[in-house]
Amino acid sequence: EPEVTQTPSHQVTQMGQEVILRCVPISNHLYFYWYRQILGQKVEFLVSFYNNEISEKSEIFDDQFSVERPDGSNFTLKIRSTKLEDSAMYFCASSGHSVQGKVRGYTFGSGTRLTVV
Amino acid sequence: DQQVKQNSPSLSVQEGRISILNCDYTNSMFDYFLWYKKYPAEGPTFLISISSIKDKNEDGRFTVFLNKSAKHLSLHIVPSQPGDSAVYFCAADSNAGNMLTFGGGTRLMVKP
Repeated sequence: EPEVTQTPSHQVTQMGQEVILRCVPISNHLYFYWYRQILGQKVEFLVSFYNNEISEKSEIFDDQFSVERPDGSNFTLKIRSTKLEDSAMYFCASSGHSVQGKVRGYTFGSGTRLTVV
Repeated sequence: DQQVKQNSPSLSVQEGRISILNCDYTNSMFDYFLWYKKYPAEGPTFLISISSIKDKNEDGRFTVFLNKSAKHLSLHIVPSQPGDSAVYFCAADSNAGNMLTFGGGTRLMVKP
């Protein structure tokens, strides 16, 4: 079964440093997403990406965050200057399934645990 | 802003019995609902979904019921198995956007 692959599985970084989280979505999917889950809290939407641009973003996704699809297979999330409160599991997802013209069917990766110290 | 709520943080069920996980929502723009299962250190795994034009969807041991007037959905697992022990999230999607809003999750423990 096709998978969404995320690397690394665990990243430890110092506060103020830049981090890049990487994802390889399912190859024929067109929609890409980042979600995060702070320990003990809900899974929260960060951003969706389609046709090489951001289609939606949440309030969490401020100027410190950016996404990129640099080479047609990878999808990255960059945090420019990490804060302690950025510590969370970050999940990449992709979707290609459409029902009545609306995208459905999200497949999630296993996540990257980001620890900011 | 809890648009999707799972009021039971945990549920314990005997193997072979029915597990019923509940989810409530407030946003009437939601038109598609999904249930995900999550093991520790893994991403959410899709289980079953339902469109707002239906009130029931069944897939093997899993059935999702939707009550639009009550803004309530439930996931039934029959019969429950120890391997079903995990955290279950309900999520909602709207026709106005392209993102999922998750509930807080319910930890299901199925005892042998």
